[in-house]
Amino acid sequence: DQQVKQNSPSLSVQEGRISILNCDYTNSMFDYFLWYKKYPAEGPTFLISISSIKDKNEDGRFTVFLNKSAKHLSLHIVPSQPGDSAVYFCAASAPFSGNTPLVFGKGTRLSVIA
Amino acid sequence: EPEVTQTPSHQVTQMGQEVILRCVPISNHLYFYWYRQILGQKVEFLVSFYNNEISEKSEIFDDQFSVERPDGSNFTLKIRSTKLEDSAMYFCASKSGYNSPLHFGNGTRLTVT
Repeated sequence: DQQVKQNSPSLSVQEGRISILNCDYTNSMFDYFLWYKKYPAEGPTFLISISSIKDKNEDGRFTVFLNKSAKHLSLHIVPSQPGDSAVYFCAASAPFSGNTPLVFGKGTRLSVIA
Repeated sequence: EPEVTQTPSHQVTQMGQEVILRCVPISNHLYFYWYRQILGQKVEFLVSFYNNEISEKSEIFDDQFSVERPDGSNFTLKIRSTKLEDSAMYFCASKSGYNSPLHFGNGTRLTVT
């Protein structure tokens, strides 16, 4: 039961261009969404989050957009840099309790080509 | 910046043996988690822990698994009798409050032979 789906297993982008990573979810109770970046042999690193009361959150080169009606969110990285090459995970949680676990997508491997 | 630390980074064990994976969460965090990632698959939730008890656990977290916070700083995951299919990266994570982001450790790679 894939509640969080990242349908693109990989993405290649030229350095300096925009990277757009997409994520869809099925559980309408999700109200908090996060993006994590993961390098090999390291744990996921938190990048940016958005709550369901917003439709956009920006932090430097990273912007997350949330479209609740479509149950879709996306992460924009601009400009993309070679150091951004990593696996990006979308995650979501529902407000049942403060300890509700995050549900992760399968990840998208981003390669930024110099 | 404070971080979640996990030891060991790699653990090799024989099927049927017990293993304990150790984690030191960030010191002012209140919520603790274990996740795992089997090679090539997604990061899966195992268990969450708050106020010295399990809050939630997944189907994966059966009677072979247990967690403990023995001394206020360590958070351990014990697998009583390991199976081949337990081979995975195990990530510990913690957060300070509701709707705070989870901070992950670098994981322990468990290999069951």
